[in-house]
Amino acid sequence: DVKVTQSSRYLVKRTGEKVFLECVQDMDHENMFWYRQDPGLGLRLIYFSYDVKMKEKGDIPEGYSVSREKKERFSLILESASTNQTSMYLCASSGIGPSEGYTFGSGTRLTVV
Amino acid sequence: AQSVTQPDIHITVSEGASLELRCNYSYGATPYLFWYVQSPGQGLQLLLKYFSGDTLVQGIKGFEAEFKRSQSSFNLRKPSVHWSDAAEYFCAVGTGTGGYQKVTFGTGTKLQVIP
Repeated sequence: DVKVTQSSRYLVKRTGEKVFLECVQDMDHENMFWYRQDPGLGLRLIYFSYDVKMKEKGDIPEGYSVSREKKERFSLILESASTNQTSMYLCASSGIGPSEGYTFGSGTRLTVV
Repeated sequence: AQSVTQPDIHITVSEGASLELRCNYSYGATPYLFWYVQSPGQGLQLLLKYFSGDTLVQGIKGFEAEFKRSQSSFNLRKPSVHWSDAAEYFCAVGTGTGGYQKVTFGTGTKLQVIP
């Protein structure tokens, strides 16, 4: 069964900590995405990557960075976590082509205290 | 830029009743349209997609959706709802740019199913 795996389901971090969220896909997909999901706001795109070492800003990149050193792995980094980054983070991947749907991971619920 | 509107935040239906979830999009060209479902505490799962051809598309779990260009709509339907359909549903529009697409999601409709 094809899969997108996010390393943690729940995380609690302190304000100011550097936080790494990891995502791995086994479908040989070119494209990978990080979204955050908040009640009433739906899913908002943070960053995406269409190739190894390539990255593009999404709609809300401030306070985040990403890394894609290998095709299957896409990491989201919170340089200095803040309480307003408490959220559900969803990773997704897709193949090439605009008609491709996304395959999502199960999400990481991050709480910053 | 594209956008998606799901006007219903929350819908309650009785088990066995029919269901229609509304979705309106805004995009200048022919859109790629998707419906996803999210069970509590889980990621999103693709239900169905439309990108060309027959405007009535069938998906998994007995869902279907109809693309109506004149109304800029892509409503999701199911003839008879089961208790396991209780979840949050997201409509999305994708635009192709080169080898990758940018997908914009609606804010979701939460479905409650009562016995």
